[in-house]
Amino acid sequence: DAGVIQSPRHEVTEMGQEVTLRCKPISGHDYLFWYRQTMMRGLELLIYFNNNVPIDDSGMPEDRFSAKMPNASFSTLKIQPSEPRDSAVYFCASKGTKWDTQYFGPGTRLTVL
Amino acid sequence: SQQGEEDPQALSIQEGENATMNCSYKTSINNLQWYRQNSGRGLVHLILIRSNEREKHSGRLRVTLDTSKKSSSLLITASRAADTASYFCATGDTGRRALTFGSGTRLQVQP
Repeated sequence: DAGVIQSPRHEVTEMGQEVTLRCKPISGHDYLFWYRQTMMRGLELLIYFNNNVPIDDSGMPEDRFSAKMPNASFSTLKIQPSEPRDSAVYFCASKGTKWDTQYFGPGTRLTVL
Repeated sequence: SQQGEEDPQALSIQEGENATMNCSYKTSINNLQWYRQNSGRGLVHLILIRSNEREKHSGRLRVTLDTSKKSSSLLITASRAADTASYFCATGDTGRRALTFGSGTRLQVQP
């Protein structure tokens, strides 16, 4: 298995632009998580899905952030408009129902200028 | 918000020495996990211990859990330069499927 796939690996954009991060979970996993990692706040959960349905989005910082999971093999995290304080590494992770271990993607390093 | 605080924040040792990292958490848990993150990479799962377990081993790793003190420790024996990374504890509860991560310990193993 290829593991969790994220794209792009690096994104540099200007303030005010729309940013879309993509994730392909491990096949057969029915949970998908989006995390954000910064030096100041560490690793924070943004949102997670179960069977493509958002379960907990309490970590989404504000309305500028939105996430979708149109099918079991694809999810997006969108930031519109982006701001410099959104600069961080965004991780996607997935897991199966019977297991507690999460498998992380390599992350997307976002820089908003 | 972060559930756990890890101690120390940074640790530097010589190859061959043992490294011990501690994690404290605040709420009731179902399980506690340890992950490793190499610089610029994603997190990799190391070991999981359930709330009804007190100790678990995996290769050179030993994890202990004290639910009465809400704390856990990760021991890496006979460390290697390749163990250099950040180590995070993460807690899971029975209701919420997501994990809550600690602040991490940066381990540097000098060759």
